[in-house]
Amino acid sequence: DGGITQSPKYLFRKEGQNVTLSCEQNLNHDAMYWYRQDPGQGLRLIYYSQIVNDFQKGDIAEGYSVSREKKESFPLTVTSAQKNPTAFYLCASRDSGRNEKLFFGSGTQLSVL
Amino acid sequence: AQSVTQLDSHVSVSEGTPVLLRCNYSSSYSPSLFWYVQHPNKGLQLLLKYTSAATLVKGINGFEAEFKKSETSFHLTKPSAHMSDAAEYFCVVSDNFGNEKLTFGTGTRLTIIP
Repeated sequence: DGGITQSPKYLFRKEGQNVTLSCEQNLNHDAMYWYRQDPGQGLRLIYYSQIVNDFQKGDIAEGYSVSREKKESFPLTVTSAQKNPTAFYLCASRDSGRNEKLFFGSGTQLSVL
Repeated sequence: AQSVTQLDSHVSVSEGTPVLLRCNYSSSYSPSLFWYVQHPNKGLQLLLKYTSAATLVKGINGFEAEFKKSETSFHLTKPSAHMSDAAEYFCVVSDNFGNEKLTFGTGTRLTIIP
C-alpha cells in the first residue's frame, strides 16, 4: 500500500545532541513537508521541499535542518540549537500543483531527557 | 505572505444544532483553502477544499464551507452536529504563487454536548 512512514514513533534527545527523524513516502509525490504540532498552536511549518535537491524554510526553521537527496525521503534533523524540541512532529507529502490534499505520516513524539 | 486565523480555539454545541467554525485568511494571490479534521489519537483527514470554482464547497460528513473573498473568510458549517464530529479542526491556506507552502491555523476544538 502507498503511504508515508515516519520513524521512530517515540524519540528521546539528550541535551546537546542532534537527532534525526525519518520520513519516507512511496506515493511518488514531489512535495514534502515537516510540521511541528504543539497543544493550542496547531501545526507550524518547519521546512518544505517542492522537488529533489531543493527545500525552503517554513515559519519556524531555526534549530532544524533537512535534506532531500531522494524523492522518497525527507529526513529532519533537530539540532542542539533548538532549545525547545519537545513536540509532536508530522511529515506530509502531496502531488505538485494546486489543490492536492496532504498525506500525513503517523508522527514522531520527541521528548528531551 | 500567507496566513490564516481561526477565530475560536474552542467551540461547544449541542447535538443536533448547527456548527460554525470560523476562519479568516490573508493571501497576496488567489489562494487555495482547505479544512482538515483531527480526531483524538487519529491522523489528519481532509474535509473539503476550495478550488477557485464554486464558492460554496461541500465536503465529507455533511460539512460545507463558503469562500467569501470580500470578507477573506472560509467558515466551516454543518446544519446538525453529531457526537462523532467532536475533534480538532484546522483551516489551511496556500497562496499558490509558484510554491507549495501550506500554512495551518491554530485549530478549533469542537465539543458536542449530548
